[in-house]
Amino acid sequence: EDKVVQSPLSLVVHEGDTVTLNCSYEVTNFRSLLWYKQEKKAPTFLFMLTSSGIEKKSGRLSSILDKKELFSILNITATQTGDSAVYLCAASYAGGTSYGKLTFGQGTILTVHP
Amino acid sequence: KAGVTQTPRYLIKTRGQQVTLSCSPISGHRSVSWYQQTPGQGLQFLFEYFSETQRNKGNFPGRFSGRQFSNSRSEMNVSTLELGDSALYLCASSPDGTGAYGYTFGSGTRLTVV
Repeated sequence: EDKVVQSPLSLVVHEGDTVTLNCSYEVTNFRSLLWYKQEKKAPTFLFMLTSSGIEKKSGRLSSILDKKELFSILNITATQTGDSAVYLCAASYAGGTSYGKLTFGQGTILTVHP
Repeated sequence: KAGVTQTPRYLIKTRGQQVTLSCSPISGHRSVSWYQQTPGQGLQFLFEYFSETQRNKGNFPGRFSGRQFSNSRSEMNVSTLELGDSALYLCASSPDGTGAYGYTFGSGTRLTVV
């Protein structure tokens, strides 16, 4: 059975701290690893990682994929209270067997205190 | 361009009733996927539609069904509602559902079954 596991499940930090969120996966016909931020309802897209070892960056956020060890990390530097959210990682599928499907991890609840 | 639109935002239904939720994808996107999000199970894939055809289905009972119209708008129906169907229902839009372009989520419909 396909599985995506995130750690830690929750994290409390203070503004200015740097955090690392982890995501491991065991998925057949793996295509990409996606990261989303969910604050109230709609998960908003952060990154899609398809190639191993290539870091993607967006402002204070960065992410990288290791396809040999089957994991990804999401780093957030100089955290702000606005970073408080649930961070979700999800695996997508290659080929024509799993159209439209993402398998999600449980999410990491990040709380940033002022 | 406009994002993914889900209606209604909130619904309260009684056990045994049925409900229909709507999702309008991003203009030009032809694939719509549906997910159920609960605190216990996280985000779980329901099904995917492309060009009015269901191409993929998750492990949900037959009470959960859907359809897609020629303009790519999709509806999801749940019949004979149970208390356990209370959840946030999210739809995701993509150009082709292959995972090559990622997925954009709507804000969801919060369904409460009483």
